[in-house]
Amino acid sequence: ETGVTQSPTHLIKTRGQQVTLRCSSQSGHNTVSWYQQALGQGPQFIFQYYREEENGRGNFPPRFSGLQFPNYSSELNVNALELDDSALYLCASSSTAYGYTFGSGTRLTVV
Amino acid sequence: DQQVKQNSPSLSVQEGRISILNCDYTNSMFDYFLWYKKYPAEGPTFLISISSIKDKNEDGRFTVFLNKSAKHLSLHIVPSQPGDSAVYFCAASVAGNQFYFGTGTSLTVIP
Repeated sequence: ETGVTQSPTHLIKTRGQQVTLRCSSQSGHNTVSWYQQALGQGPQFIFQYYREEENGRGNFPPRFSGLQFPNYSSELNVNALELDDSALYLCASSSTAYGYTFGSGTRLTVV
Repeated sequence: DQQVKQNSPSLSVQEGRISILNCDYTNSMFDYFLWYKKYPAEGPTFLISISSIKDKNEDGRFTVFLNKSAKHLSLHIVPSQPGDSAVYFCAASVAGNQFYFGTGTSLTVIP
């Protein structure tokens, strides 16, 4: 079985720009969650998608949005980037409530 | 509001000895807990989980203990090996949905 793949691995953007991060879920997994991990912190929940619908959201502003596609892959979009958005963004997929697999993350730097 | 806390940012242990990593939580509704380890430039890797119906779960060298009355979780690694050197995160959730992560404990196993 394949793991969770995220792309790109590293990205540098300018403040005010928009960014799209991508995640390919592990085969058979219909739920995907996105987390933001700032330096020195634990991952913070952004939102979760189940069968293409958002079914949970953390304390992040609306400029953080997402999509899940019929093949269960997913995108995280961030508009109007701010310097504080610089972080490691992690995608995790699961097929049940108790079997999460994390990708290696996308390191976003906003300058 | 940090619902999951790892109060020891770092821990050093001699190879072959026991490593004990601790985690405290505040939300009594949490019923599912995970431990992850993370190497630099990689995403978190699942280690072991425990649900609130148990107070202990063991997988090889790794054992997780749950004390619900104290809202305390611990991970024991016996015997510790140099390859165990990593940052360890505990995470908690209600029914496996949004996970709340601690800030991590950096374990160094000294050969």
